[in-house]
Order: sequence, then structure tokens, then C-alpha cells
Amino acid sequence: DAGVTQSPTHLIKTRGQHVTLRCSPISGHKSVSWYQQVLGQGPQFIFQYYEKEERGRGNFPDRFSARQFPNYSSELNVNALLLGDSALYLCASSFRGGGMSFGSGTRLTVV
Amino acid sequence: AQSVTQLGSHVSVSEGALVLLRCNYSSSVPPYLFWYVQYPNQGLQLLLKYTSAATLVKGINGFEAEFKKSETSFHLTKPSAHMSDAAEYFCAVSGLNSGGSNYKLTFGKGTLLTVNP
Repeated sequence: DAGVTQSPTHLIKTRGQHVTLRCSPISGHKSVSWYQQVLGQGPQFIFQYYEKEERGRGNFPDRFSARQFPNYSSELNVNALLLGDSALYLCASSFRGGGMSFGSGTRLTVV
Repeated sequence: AQSVTQLGSHVSVSEGALVLLRCNYSSSVPPYLFWYVQYPNQGLQLLLKYTSAATLVKGINGFEAEFKKSETSFHLTKPSAHMSDAAEYFCAVSGLNSGGSNYKLTFGKGTLLTVNP
């Protein structure tokens, strides 16, 4: 079975631009979460979606938004990019009560 | 609120030596605890998890961790280090939301393990 897949793997954007990151969960997993990992730090929670509803939101500005589609895939959107948004963005999926499985991430560089 | 403290941002061991990576947690609810490993330029791979069953948890690649409630610790060990164990290790704590599904993971800052030949 395929694991969590994320696209694109790498992305370079200019300050002020908008970016969309995509994630496909493991088959059968209905929960998708997004994390931001800045270089040298542990991942920080951004959002969790379960059955297409937002179930949790971390301490991130409103420039960050997400949604989950009927097939349980998800998008993370970031508007008005700042240099500080440069990070590895990780998507994780889980089955109810189980451990989370992470994708390989999208490396976003804002210049 | 939940938090994790990983003691030691960098641990260096010789090949064949014991690996001990320390993690202390704080949680207002019975915690679920996890160890993840991250190789360069990759995502996180689950090593093992504690979910209120046995306090000694065995994971992949010969790693294990022991949940000690009295010490609020969940240290990761491996009897004999291998060169391929060199990576960054993250301890994380989670609680369940009202729907019974895993809520957010709160991660420590990570411990970089280097293994010397």
C-alpha cells in the first residue's frame, strides 16, 4: 500500500506570493494533519482534519488555511508568504486512535 | 496543555554501544507517547508508541522505550548502535480529542544521534 504522498517535493516562491501544498493519505485513513518543521526544530502542529471537518488548529496566522476533500486528500494554503514561512511542511494521516504516518514533506523556500 | 523536553540536542556513541535518548513529558491527560526518526531530507518514521498498554514498548530496528509515570519519562534505548541509526530522533506526546481520534502531536526539539565507527 502507498504511504502518505505529498506534492510537490520542493518549491521556491517569492515573498507575498501564495502557495498550495497537497497531500494524499494512506488508504482508509480519514484524518489528515499538517505540520511545519523549521530547520533545526521539531514539527509544529498547524491543522487537523477528520471527515472533512477541521478538528484542530495550531498557533498559526490566518494566512494559513486548509481543507479536506471527499476522498480525504488535503490541501494546505499559505497566502502572503513571508521569509519565515520557509520550512519543511509535513502531512500526516492516521486511523482513529492510531499512530500518525508522515509523508516525506514539501520543502518550501521563500526568497 | 502538553509538552515534551528532550535532554541533549546531540548524542554521540560508538558503534556497538548503548543508545539512550531521553524524553520527559508533561500532560494534563493520560498521554500517548511516540518516538519518531527522521533521516536527512526525509519525513518522520514511527519507531514506537505507548498507548496505555504495556509500559515497555518495543519498536522497529531494535529500539525500545519504557513509560515511567512517576518520572514522567519515556526514554528511548537500543542495546547496540549501528551506523545506520545515525539520524534525528523526536519524542512526541498526544491526547485524544472528543471524537476519540488522535489529536495533535506535540514534539520535542529533537536529538541528533551520531554513531562513530
